[in-house]
Amino acid sequence: ETGVTQTPRHLVMGMTNKKSLKCEQHLGHNAMYWYKQSAKKPLELMFVYSLEERVENNSVPSRFSPECPNSSHLFLHLHTLQPEDSALYLCASSPSLGDEQFFGPGTRLTVL
Amino acid sequence: AQKVTQAQTEISVVEKEDVTLDCVYETRDTTYYLFWYKQPPSGELVFLIRRNSFDEQNEISGRYSWNFQKSTSSFNFTITASQVVDSAVYFCALRVNYGQNFVFGPGTRLSVLP
Repeated sequence: ETGVTQTPRHLVMGMTNKKSLKCEQHLGHNAMYWYKQSAKKPLELMFVYSLEERVENNSVPSRFSPECPNSSHLFLHLHTLQPEDSALYLCASSPSLGDEQFFGPGTRLTVL
Repeated sequence: AQKVTQAQTEISVVEKEDVTLDCVYETRDTTYYLFWYKQPPSGELVFLIRRNSFDEQNEISGRYSWNFQKSTSSFNFTITASQVVDSAVYFCALRVNYGQNFVFGPGTRLSVLP
C-alpha cells in the first residue's frame, strides 16, 4: 500500500462504547497529525506527533486519546463520546513538522 | 494570530469555464508558507501547491495557476477550462515559520456542471 491509510472508513458507535481509529503512513515521514472536520467548520488540528513524541494538543477533550507507537502508525482511542463528536477524522503525515501534509481518506464517525 | 479567509463558500461553473478561488491570509510573520489542498467527494485532502513568502512568482501547473500577491495578502487559485473532475472543496492554508500548525481556511466548494 502507498500513501496514508485509515481504518475503519466508517464507524458508528454509542456514547458508552470504546473504539479506536487507526492511521498508517507508508511514506517514511516523521510527523503525523489528527484533524477533525465537522460540517461547516474549518479543519481543526487535534494532535501532532513528531518522531513518536506528542508536540501539540489543541485543548482536545480527554475522551480522545492519541497513541503513536512508531513513526508509521497513529491511533486515536475514543471513549464516552458525545453526539457532537460526530465528524470526519482525518490523519495526515509530513516529512518533518511543518512540511506539506499528506492526508488519509478519513474515518466518518457517527456517535449515537 | 494567523487567519485564512476564503470568502466564496460555493461556486458553480459550467464545464470549460475558467474559475478563480480567492484566498486572503493574515499574519504578522514575515516568513510563512501558503498551501492549497483539494478535497474531492471521497474525503481525502490532496496537496496541490506550497509557496513561501519570499517567492511571489506566479505558478502554473497544467490547467492550474496560482497568483500570490503580498501587497494584498492574497494567494488566489485559478482553474482554466474547468472539468467535472475539478468538483471538490478547495482549502487554502497558512503556516508561519518555526510553527508546525497549519491554519486552514473554511474552504470553497466548487461544482463544475457538464
